[in-house]
Amino acid sequence: GAGVSQSPSNKVTEKGKDVELRCDPISGHTALYWYRQSLGQGLEFLIYFQGNSAPDKSGLPSDRFSAERTGGSVSTLTIQRTQQEDSAVYLCASRSQGAGETQYFGPGTRLLVL
Amino acid sequence: AQSVTQLDSQVPVFEEAPVELRCNYSSSVSVYLFWYVQYPNQGLQLLLKYLSGSTLVKGINGFEAEFNKSQTSFHLRKPSVHISDTAEYFCAASGAGSYQLTFGKGTKLSVIP
Repeated sequence: GAGVSQSPSNKVTEKGKDVELRCDPISGHTALYWYRQSLGQGLEFLIYFQGNSAPDKSGLPSDRFSAERTGGSVSTLTIQRTQQEDSAVYLCASRSQGAGETQYFGPGTRLLVL
Repeated sequence: AQSVTQLDSQVPVFEEAPVELRCNYSSSVSVYLFWYVQYPNQGLQLLLKYLSGSTLVKGINGFEAEFNKSQTSFHLRKPSVHISDTAEYFCAASGAGSYQLTFGKGTKLSVIP
């Protein structure tokens, strides 16, 4: 596909359950980002992958959050034992290598924890 | 670390009127600046970016922004807005050579018919 895709588009889960969110970046993009967008809070950086380098996990809010990127392409963000405060839109972006390159965003996954 | 401030959380404007959305950034070192737009239930789309060179940057949909180093600002402007411009607009900054983008909290533009 031409753009970044994310699935599912919407997810409703019960408190305490685990969820997996998927991101398919633009083909050939070596960099991949996950962000969380909460109401009125802007975008909060979660994690960054670049090629085969160790990911920058500095934005993950707790050890319940983890992410992996398999084969340098698809990425999965996992939230274990979900809490109501995890409800947000989770956005994925990818970028080609190079200074000042644009990040291209997917449509997001809207997560609601009941 | 960079910080980005969008001074207005909401801006209402009448159709065909001009609009300015304000953005200030914190760092005085070389910086890359971006404006993104987010339509309802969609991801972010790049409007324009400043890397270097001319301080006036033109983007899509008739938007432009001016980089002002002395005022550390990168305000977004459009001379005549349309209903379809109703959306949330995010300013973002990164240090030159940095992979991190820091976003402002967004400005919701509402165009009134």
